[in-house]
Amino acid sequence: DAKTTQPPSMDCAEGRAANLPCNHSTISGNEYVYWYRQIHSQGPQYIIHGLKNNETNEMASLIITEDRKSSTLILPHATLRDTAVYYCIVRVAAAGGTSYGKLTFGQGTILTVHP
Amino acid sequence: DAGITQSPRHKVTETGTPVTLRCHQTENHRYMYWYRQDPGHGLRLIHYSYGVKDTDKGEVSDGYSVSRSKTEDFLLTLESATSSQTSVYFCAISGTSGRTSYEQYFGPGTRLTVT
Repeated sequence: DAKTTQPPSMDCAEGRAANLPCNHSTISGNEYVYWYRQIHSQGPQYIIHGLKNNETNEMASLIITEDRKSSTLILPHATLRDTAVYYCIVRVAAAGGTSYGKLTFGQGTILTVHP
Repeated sequence: DAGITQSPRHKVTETGTPVTLRCHQTENHRYMYWYRQDPGHGLRLIHYSYGVKDTDKGEVSDGYSVSRSKTEDFLLTLESATSSQTSVYFCAISGTSGRTSYEQYFGPGTRLTVT
């Protein structure tokens, strides 16, 4: 799976958009970009994923550059509860059989949302 | 939230004793995983399962064994606990029928302390 690079920490004011970048310059054509977050002491939480098109769900938006070498996770209106470690992961989506789609977690970005 | 429970949530045990952690799901997902999380190492895959009685090793499997006798339960056993196995253990599941992305959903974690 391709390696990712994220800033170690970021700050954001409550109510503002939080834009978390991720670099994955060695991504392959069949690899997806996944975002997870982990709030202190809890299990990681799936946020969103995409292949090449921009994606949006109730939690966030994912913007993937045209060359797919980088992406940005956008939390449109950050709240204090969004303070967490955010992980960007690139991997091939499991195709069934014994393929297990292992997730390789890096160090992630610590997002701190301030009042 | 995906229906995943882990038991026990907290356990303190002595070196050399056997320990079994249980992961239970109500989602009928095919894939189940055990991770451990330690400061400075992030989450690391211990073992995974791709079906009943079908399991395989992850990147840090030494000292651990697993069993999956039915779809909903995935057990992690430390045959003889050591202090280096003090960690937070997370179970995850993935593979919903009809989906292709196979994102993983995590349980709340088990905090294990080996004294």
